[in-house]
Order: sequence, then structure tokens, then C-alpha cells
Amino acid sequence: AQSVSQHNHHVILSEAASLELGCNYSYGGTVNLFWYVQYPGQHLQLLLKYFSGDPLVKGIKGFEAEFIKSKFSFNLRKPSVQWSDTAEYFCAVNTPNFGNEKLTFGTGTRLTIIP
Amino acid sequence: DGGITQSPKYLFRKEGQNVTLSCEQNLNHDAMYWYRQDPGQGLRLIYYSQIVNDFQKGDIAEGYSVSREKKESFPLTVTSAQKNPTAFYLCASSIDLGSNSNQPQHFGDGTRLSIL
Repeated sequence: AQSVSQHNHHVILSEAASLELGCNYSYGGTVNLFWYVQYPGQHLQLLLKYFSGDPLVKGIKGFEAEFIKSKFSFNLRKPSVQWSDTAEYFCAVNTPNFGNEKLTFGTGTRLTIIP
Repeated sequence: DGGITQSPKYLFRKEGQNVTLSCEQNLNHDAMYWYRQDPGQGLRLIYYSQIVNDFQKGDIAEGYSVSREKKESFPLTVTSAQKNPTAFYLCASSIDLGSNSNQPQHFGDGTRLSIL
């Protein structure tokens, strides 16, 4: 079974700082990778996803993530964060073999941006 | 606007009581899911359903039950057998085109359940 690790539980940054949130997964086969964001008081929404093609994926609000197969990683990046990026971020993975029902989430990273 | 509606937003349960959480979607999605979110543990899958009148256990199904009588609705019952029910419950749905697993899930706003 696949698993997802997000080692950063809480990250605190100042506005305009660069962001990188780590995500590693533990499945050796083909994977689909997702980043979801949960803003305070709001529902989870999709930031970006990777399933094939260019390993550098661009999402909404200036976020991007790079799939590095050799490192089993899918880190989320943003060059310059804003106060409005304060939220909880979840990495998730599933495999085409198992379909959507086997979406496995990481434990989440809480991001706090200081104005 | 299409979306997922969960109700109520907050729910309190007495010891020994069953409670039912509502989830309705108007996205015409085939698949629906229930997750439990606890601090520091992320989201864990309770039950999922890929089609009406069919559902499967997820990773933490003990103490929970579901039904899928209509495509739009997937209610979750937290039974008295669930020993630690206090959590944030999230419902989700997806198109679920068979092996087309790269379609994202869409989430509701959640229900926070507390024990009195």
C-alpha cells in the first residue's frame, strides 16, 4: 500500500519569502500526485496535480510542484508567498491500478505567513 | 453553482447515541467518499461508494455505516460502537471514470462532531 510523508508539520514564513513543502511517497509503480489546500474555514480544494508528462506542474495562485521519480518526491513550491497563503496543505497520491478510491493523504503541513 | 453540501456544520452527540451526517452533491459524480480528519493525522478514508447501492470500507470503517440509495446522497452514520468519534468529517466526490484515477476529488465544508 502506498503512504505519503509530509515532514514539515508547521512552517512559518514572512511575506515574500520562498516556500518549499516536502512530500514523499512510498509506492514503486505509476502514481498520480495531488496537492490540496485548506484555507481557514474553507473546504479542501485542488492546487495542482500530476499524472503524466512534464514533471514540473503549475497550479493555481502561483504554486508549482516537481515530480522527481528517483526521489519519490513531489515538493510544492512558490517563489514569493503572501499572507493569504496561510492554510493547511495536503499532499495525496493514488495509483492507476487501484483507482480513485485509494487516494492516500499525508498528514498535512500548516503554513503560517507573517505580514 | 455545483458543489457538495454537508450538514450540519456542528454536531454534538451523547454517549451511546448514533448520529447521521448528511452529504449531498449536485455535480453528477458517480463516486463519493467519507474521510475523517484529526489533528496531525491528515485525512483517513472511512467509506467510499462508486455507484448507487454499492459501497466499500476504507481504512477506518469500524463504528461507521453508510448508505447510497441515490446518486446525489451519501449519508454517514457514526454509531455508538465508534469509541472516539470526536473529529472533523469530510465528504468528497469525483467523476470516477473507472481507471481514470487522475480526476480530483471535490470536498464539502465538513461537519465537526463532538461528544457531550
